[in-house]
Amino acid sequence: ETGVTQSPTHLIKTRGQQVTLRCSSQSGHNTVSWYQQALGQGPQFIFQYYREEENGRGNFPPRFSGLQFPNYSSELNVNALELDDSALYLCASSLARGGANTQYFGPGTRLTVL
Amino acid sequence: QQQVKQSPQSLIVQKGGISIINCAYENTAFDYFPWYQQFPGKGPALLIAIRPDVSEKKEGRFTISFNKSAKQFSLHIMDSQPGDSATYFCAASKRDNFNKFYFGSGTKLNVKP
Repeated sequence: ETGVTQSPTHLIKTRGQQVTLRCSSQSGHNTVSWYQQALGQGPQFIFQYYREEENGRGNFPPRFSGLQFPNYSSELNVNALELDDSALYLCASSLARGGANTQYFGPGTRLTVL
Repeated sequence: QQQVKQSPQSLIVQKGGISIINCAYENTAFDYFPWYQQFPGKGPALLIAIRPDVSEKKEGRFTISFNKSAKQFSLHIMDSQPGDSATYFCAASKRDNFNKFYFGSGTKLNVKP
């Protein structure tokens, strides 16, 4: 059984550019959540996907969007990058979408916006 | 408004000592409280979790104490080891169809040999 994987590991972009981050969920998990973790802070919820549909969203603007594919892998897209978007982006998968289901996190993608 | 408040921000403990990290929450709809451990360059990993129907849960050297009336919960690490040096996050979520976790701001633990 493989864990949650994310790619790329690191990414450097400039303001105004667009970025796509990828996540492969743990085997058997149909729910994927994305979090943004600024330096020295706890993860902040961006949104969640359940069976290819967005299942909830945190306080992030529409330029943050996502997709989930039939194999439950997922993408996070960020348009019009801003300096404050620099952070560690974490993907977490869980067996189901209920609030008490354990989330298993990937190692994250470190995004730097210059 | 931060839903889960965590303290202290950093903690230094001698090897063999007890590390205590505290969290408080406001939303009484929360009913699942996990603790995550994060090493530099890694994603958070689940350490231990509790539901509000019990006041304490112990797994090895790690214990969660839960006070429902005070809306507080804490992590105790007994016999702390240098390998425990990491950042610890408490979190909370609601019993609904929405797997959203609210995280505390983290506690950086340094266990000195």
